[in-house]
Amino acid sequence: AQSVTQLGSHVSVSEGALVLLRCNYSSSVPPYLFWYVQYPNQGLQLLLKYTSAATLVKGINGFEAEFKKSETSFHLTKPSAHMSDAAEYFCAVRGIKTQGGSEKLVFGKGTKLTVNP
Amino acid sequence: KAGVTQTPRYLIKTRGQQVTLSCSPISGHRSVSWYQQTPGQGLQFLFEYFSETQRNKGNFPGRFSGRQFSNSRSEMNVSTLELGDSALYLCASSSYTDYTDTQYFGPGTRLTVL
Repeated sequence: AQSVTQLGSHVSVSEGALVLLRCNYSSSVPPYLFWYVQYPNQGLQLLLKYTSAATLVKGINGFEAEFKKSETSFHLTKPSAHMSDAAEYFCAVRGIKTQGGSEKLVFGKGTKLTVNP
Repeated sequence: KAGVTQTPRYLIKTRGQQVTLSCSPISGHRSVSWYQQTPGQGLQFLFEYFSETQRNKGNFPGRFSGRQFSNSRSEMNVSTLELGDSALYLCASSSYTDYTDTQYFGPGTRLTVL
């Protein structure tokens, strides 16, 4: 069964500092991986996704993530944090069924990012 | 292109009642999934529909049910509400032509059970 672990339920950084949000996954086959962001009282917005085309994936708002199969990781980074990045971030994995089709999307518990001025 | 819409946005019910939530997917999307989000359990998958057929199902009791109509709109129903059903219910749609099944989320329906 696939699963996702996000290390750190809360991360706090200063404005302009590097943002690093950690995500490790467990899947029996190479999965699709996603990062979503959720602002207060809103739904989830897709930041980026890994689909096996390239290991370094660039997303919206200056975020990127690198797929490392050997480490089963898909950490999210942004070189310089902005106040508007304060939100909750979710890593998700979606496996592929051997008989075709995709598995359900499984989310991590989320990491709440605080950006200090 | 309009995004995923969910109605109503907020709902207050009492224990024992039932509730129906509605989701309209992005135009052209044929897959709709439902999730429950709570502070304690996080985001949990309820079910997924594709072309009116349930494709995947999460581990929720039978009180939670759903359906999808021929126009891809979906509804989920919760019968005999319990206090623990208070949550944000999110709907997401995806396109059959997107092999990654990337899901696009609506703003959610906030259900409060008193």
